[in-house]
Amino acid sequence: QQPVQSPQAVILREGEDAVINCSSSKALYSVHWYRQKHGEAPVFLMILLKGGEQKGHEKISASFNEKKQQSSLYLTASQLSYSGTYFCGTAPPSGTYKYIFGTGTRLKVLA
Amino acid sequence: DSGVTQTPKHLITATGQRVTLRCSPRSGDLSVYWYQQSLDQGLQFLIQYYNGEERAKGNILERFSAQQFPDLHSELNLSSLELGDSALYFCASSSLGVSDTQYFGPGTRLTVL
Repeated sequence: QQPVQSPQAVILREGEDAVINCSSSKALYSVHWYRQKHGEAPVFLMILLKGGEQKGHEKISASFNEKKQQSSLYLTASQLSYSGTYFCGTAPPSGTYKYIFGTGTRLKVLA
Repeated sequence: DSGVTQTPKHLITATGQRVTLRCSPRSGDLSVYWYQQSLDQGLQFLIQYYNGEERAKGNILERFSAQQFPDLHSELNLSSLELGDSALYFCASSSLGVSDTQYFGPGTRLTVL
């Protein structure tokens, strides 16, 4: 079953903050976050592993609540370049890559 | 540029036909993943290969098959194409497996007429 993301869409002004949530009905091993701009490939943002380890390469933070089977992506001081669709991707505890992507959140940052 | 290449960029074909999509992973990456993205179904994981062996299967139809060759490039074969197979097909690679950063290729847009 596909993880549910909320909100479905959000509009921000430059400099504002946003939180995007990802909820799964199944236990999780890891959560990945991606951003995709229209017509382009998804770009990896952040990976969160069971046990709290995080790996990422942008100035974006995230949390992973294993018990609640939820993850949240925090975008602070948003920039125009943050616009796009954000997806969470989740993997189950088996460790195999039976990956499922979330429903997506469309984010638009206005000047 | 992610370092992952996919060919062709666009493909237009007719129902019932067979096509092959090609992916070259980043240098040194052992894992290759295939994804399908359509307007109504979002991003769906199809299949993963690790160093030539199938590692995990997602929502891949029986009409679809893939393989990873000794040089680590991968091909996704789609046969008996239907209108509903029209989508963007992405390939991604990572150095090892599920805990690693994935780098996506630019995608192949398949249109079935």
